[in-house]
Amino acid sequence: NAGVTQTPKFQVLKTGQSMTLQCAQDMNHNSMYWYRQDPGMGLRLIYYSASEGTTDKGEVPNGYNVSRLNKREFSLRLESAAPSQTSVYFCASSDNRAPNQPQHFGDGTRLSIL
Amino acid sequence: ILNVEQSPQSLHVQEGDSTNFTCSFPSSNFYALHWYRWETAKSPEALFVMTLNGDEKKKGRISATLNTKEGYSYLYIKGSQPEDSATYLCAFSGGGADGLTFGKGTHLIIQP
Repeated sequence: NAGVTQTPKFQVLKTGQSMTLQCAQDMNHNSMYWYRQDPGMGLRLIYYSASEGTTDKGEVPNGYNVSRLNKREFSLRLESAAPSQTSVYFCASSDNRAPNQPQHFGDGTRLSIL
Repeated sequence: ILNVEQSPQSLHVQEGDSTNFTCSFPSSNFYALHWYRWETAKSPEALFVMTLNGDEKKKGRISATLNTKEGYSYLYIKGSQPEDSATYLCAFSGGGADGLTFGKGTHLIIQP
């Protein structure tokens, strides 16, 4: 029972490098989300996709782009990584057709920018 | 930016004692209030999603209440056990497909 799968689990980048964080879910959820978690800040929403073909900015979108490739996959791209983007990134998905549905989280990607 | 506050930030409780902590959130544009349990090195795990004023939810020794008019929710743990040690997150939803606004969490440590 895979749920939400994130790759890679760990990554170290140099300032200015680019990379894409991958996320896939197998629960047939229509909504997907990217959050970042920083010490003392809690989880903050970067981007979300309410349904296939749509994406919207969250609280902290600067420096990121996203692609909802299909219903299963939602990727997060850092075009030119900066040390301020060092964080743990969580992908989540949910069935938004009813108000009482929780979000299901992946195990996170720990990203360090040197 | 929405303000979701959790208190206390951290809590040490003796095994066997009961405890509770608070989440406050905007009382306008309310859609749902989520509680998650988050263990170190794992992903957040859903406990409850509450949508109606006066909602009470229970799962084993853990329960939660919701007051949307005044904008607060309580999480209760009865007879704390060491495995209850975790960070408990609450999150506000202002719409069905929108992302959640999380509080910073209450870090609970159960001392044997």
